[in-house]
Amino acid sequence: GAVVSQHPSRVICKSGTSVKIECRSLDFQATTMFWYRQFPKQSLMLMATSNEGSKATYEQGVEKDKFLINHASLTLSTLTVTSAHPEDSSFYICSAQGPNSGNTIYFGEGSWLTVV
Amino acid sequence: AQKITQTQPGMFVQEKEAVTLDCTYDTSDPSYGLFWYKQPSSGEMIFLIYQGSYDQQNATEGRYSLNFQKARKSANLVISASQLGDSAMYFCAMSLLNQGGSEKLVFGKGTKLTVNP
Repeated sequence: GAVVSQHPSRVICKSGTSVKIECRSLDFQATTMFWYRQFPKQSLMLMATSNEGSKATYEQGVEKDKFLINHASLTLSTLTVTSAHPEDSSFYICSAQGPNSGNTIYFGEGSWLTVV
Repeated sequence: AQKITQTQPGMFVQEKEAVTLDCTYDTSDPSYGLFWYKQPSSGEMIFLIYQGSYDQQNATEGRYSLNFQKARKSANLVISASQLGDSAMYFCAMSLLNQGGSEKLVFGKGTKLTVNP
C-alpha cells in the first residue's frame, strides 16, 4: 500500500486564488520531504526540499513567496501555490525520506493543478 | 555537474520478451545512489529498484534488474518477460546529497515503454 499520500489528487482553482496541497508520510517519520513539478511529457523538476521544523530550501529559479512550503510535523508537508496563474497549471508531486525508509525514496500519488 | 541521461525517448517490446532501458549518469561524488521509477498515465511514481555506488552486485527485484557498470557510468534497467501492464514512462534518477544529509533526486528525461501484445 501507499506509504506517502498526497491530497488533493486533482484541483481546479480560479486565477488569483491560492491552493494548498498536502503530502503525508503514512508508515514512517519523514524528516525530509521534496516537492517536484512536472509539465506534460517532461521530467520531474525539484522545486524545494522541506525539512521538518525549519525553512525549506528552494532550487534556483523557484519563487519562495509563490510556492510556500510548510513542514510542521514529521508526517506532513504542505505546498501552497499563492496567487495562482494559468502558467502554474502542472502536476505537483512530493516524495519523502526518513531515517527508517532505507534507501528508498517514496513518492505520493501527485496532484494535478489546473488554474482557470 | 550531476546529470542523468536517458537517450531513448520511446521503446517498443513484444509481450513476454525482455527489454533494456538505457541510463547514463555523470557525477564526481564517490557516493551516490541510482533509482528507477515507473510512471503510468495516472502520474504516480512507482519505485522499482535501487543501486548504491558501492554495491558490488547488480540489484534485482523480481522481473527488474539493474545492469550497473560503474566504469562506464551506466545503470541500465532490464525488464524480463514484459507484460502489457509494463507500458509506462520509466525514469532513471540519481541521488545527490543535500546540506543536512538528506538526498534529493535528479531525474533523466524518461523513456516511454510500450509493450505490444
